[in-house]
Amino acid sequence: DAGVTQSPTHLIKTRGQQVTLRCSPKSGHDTVSWYQQALGQGPQFIFQYYEEEERQRGNFPDRFSGHQFPNYSSELNVNALLLGDSALYLCASSLGLWTGHRGGTYNEQFFGPGTRLTVL
Amino acid sequence: AQTVTQSQPEMSVQEAETVTLSCTYDTSESDYYLFWYKQPPSRQMILVIRQEAYKQQNATENRFSVNFQKAAKSFSLKISDSQLGDAAMYFCAYRSSGSGNTGKLIFGQGTTLQVKP
Repeated sequence: DAGVTQSPTHLIKTRGQQVTLRCSPKSGHDTVSWYQQALGQGPQFIFQYYEEEERQRGNFPDRFSGHQFPNYSSELNVNALLLGDSALYLCASSLGLWTGHRGGTYNEQFFGPGTRLTVL
Repeated sequence: AQTVTQSQPEMSVQEAETVTLSCTYDTSESDYYLFWYKQPPSRQMILVIRQEAYKQQNATENRFSVNFQKAAKSFSLKISDSQLGDAAMYFCAYRSSGSGNTGKLIFGQGTTLQVKP
């Protein structure tokens, strides 16, 4: 059973360029969330995709955009790269929309290994 | 907005001993989940333990247990019989309950745990 996979593992870009990161969810999962983890910090939520739509967005500028494909895989695009975009980008997958009500089935988020983006 | 704070950037423990990692959070919600995640140097984040706020009983998973103090908004992780493989960065995280939320995770800044042989 394949877990969450991300590509590429590492990426080096220069300021102003554009980048696309890819994520394949765990088998059977249909929801993908993206997080940005700066060095030495905790991950921060970028956005979540379900049924090919962005369901919620964190406090990130429009330079960050995404897409979900019919096979549930997802892409994160960042335009006009800044030095501050250097980070580990994590993808997490889960099954269905979050309900979180008492006694309900807990849909855990499973994380991928991440893509290390360096902006020079 | 909810926040999670981990005030211990680094901790160390001798192998086979016990260590406690601290976490505090702020929320106005009554129903939520709290988690501890482990991120080894290989980077893949894995769930260590989960606590549902409406449950009074503290969660336990083998050598890992939590001390959940809802009124104090405190959620600490105790690792017993520490092993070299426990060395990692540990993150405390919060997740709102209820439909209408995406279930996004809100993370603390992390605590790096060193295990000494």
